[in-house]
Amino acid sequence: DQQVKQNSPSLSVQEGRISILNCDYTNSMFDYFLWYKKYPAEGPTFLISISSIKDKNEDGRFTVFLNKSAKHLSLHIVPSQPGDSAVYFCAALGNFGNEKLTFGTGTRLTIIP
Amino acid sequence: DAGITQSPRHKVTETGTPVTLRCHQTENHRYMYWYRQDPGHGLRLIHYSYGVKDTDKGEVSDGYSVSRSKTEDFLLTLESATSSQTSVYFCAISRGKTEAFFGQGTRLTVV
Repeated sequence: DQQVKQNSPSLSVQEGRISILNCDYTNSMFDYFLWYKKYPAEGPTFLISISSIKDKNEDGRFTVFLNKSAKHLSLHIVPSQPGDSAVYFCAALGNFGNEKLTFGTGTRLTIIP
Repeated sequence: DAGITQSPRHKVTETGTPVTLRCHQTENHRYMYWYRQDPGHGLRLIHYSYGVKDTDKGEVSDGYSVSRSKTEDFLLTLESATSSQTSVYFCAISRGKTEAFFGQGTRLTVV
């Protein structure tokens, strides 16, 4: 049972435009969400996170939005750059006592120069 | 870079043999995780640890066991490797309700 879902396996965006990556979750006990970026042959690297007490968090070109009622979060990248081409994973932590970190299936973002 | 090292980085093994992958950290983080990455499946949690000798199963734990006898080491063992366990394995460490840091990965091929 996939509790964290990324329904778009791939996304192509023109350089300079906005990239929007989406993530849905099913477990209402999740209370902390993270986005990771992964290049081939490397481990995932942390990008940005958001707690369930917030609905938005910004860090430079990256903004994460959280809609708890819809169990949906999104990552906005503005402006998109060629170096942003990678696989992006969303992940969730829950109020389960132990921090079980659950990932989605990933979205491959390609920035077109 | 976070102080996390996976070994070996690459391994080829035969079906039916036992295999142990090691994750070593120098950050004294409480939580350690083992994931496998496969096309179309993203990162799937195998096992994780929330302290020395405290471990729990993830979503794809069948055929795998783990041990954590020291804070800094988290071992993943494939008791009898199968071709379906050919994958890239990642270890991660975390202090808790915050970001996790990942190792470089171990590419395991079972022939």
